[in-house]
Amino acid sequence: GQQLNQSPQSMFIQEGEDVSMNCTSSSIFNTWLWYKQDPGEGPVLLIALYKAGELTSNGRLTAQFGITRKDSFLNISASIPSDVGIYFCAGGSGGSNYKLTFGKGTLLTVNP
Amino acid sequence: DADVTQTPRNRITKTGKRIMLECSQTKGHDRMYWYRQDPGLGLRLIYYSFDVKDINKGEISDGYSVSRQAQAKFSLSLESAIPNQTALYFCATSDAGQKHQETQYFGPGTRLLVL
Repeated sequence: GQQLNQSPQSMFIQEGEDVSMNCTSSSIFNTWLWYKQDPGEGPVLLIALYKAGELTSNGRLTAQFGITRKDSFLNISASIPSDVGIYFCAGGSGGSNYKLTFGKGTLLTVNP
Repeated sequence: DADVTQTPRNRITKTGKRIMLECSQTKGHDRMYWYRQDPGLGLRLIYYSFDVKDINKGEISDGYSVSRQAQAKFSLSLESAIPNQTALYFCATSDAGQKHQETQYFGPGTRLLVL
């Protein structure tokens, strides 16, 4: 089946630093989604990407849909302590296929 | 109020017991999903439903059953709980009427411990 490779698995950074994480796949996706999960809570949708090459921002977050449709990255600028959490990517095939394929997540720790 | 709610938020049960986890949504979405999350394994799909009369197995449905009581309600049952069903369980919804119908929205989760 489809698989997503998300990297890095974890990151330890200082407050104020920029962060970058990415997901790659051997399969083509028509949708890329980025979620954040706080401890004890459910994943919250951060950014949705629906077109190859699309670059979308949400505050300090920027994500891009790779031109090959097999990858996506998420950048966080000027990190703050509340950015701590697990970030997941998810790829969707679109059409009548409901399924999302999830990455295993990137655990982000921000030192004040 | 949250769009997707799950009850209970935490549950401890014993091996062999039957338990039910419930999910309700006010988003008006027709599609609902149940996932479990285990450390290092990410999110895995248990069951999904595209409308009230539609139930489909996901990748790890053994040991689970579901009921779609109404468009807004989707419950997950463990008929005879076992310790390896200890996990975080998430309900999610999506809207087939939207252009990007695969975009899913998650509930806050239920933490289940089977002793």
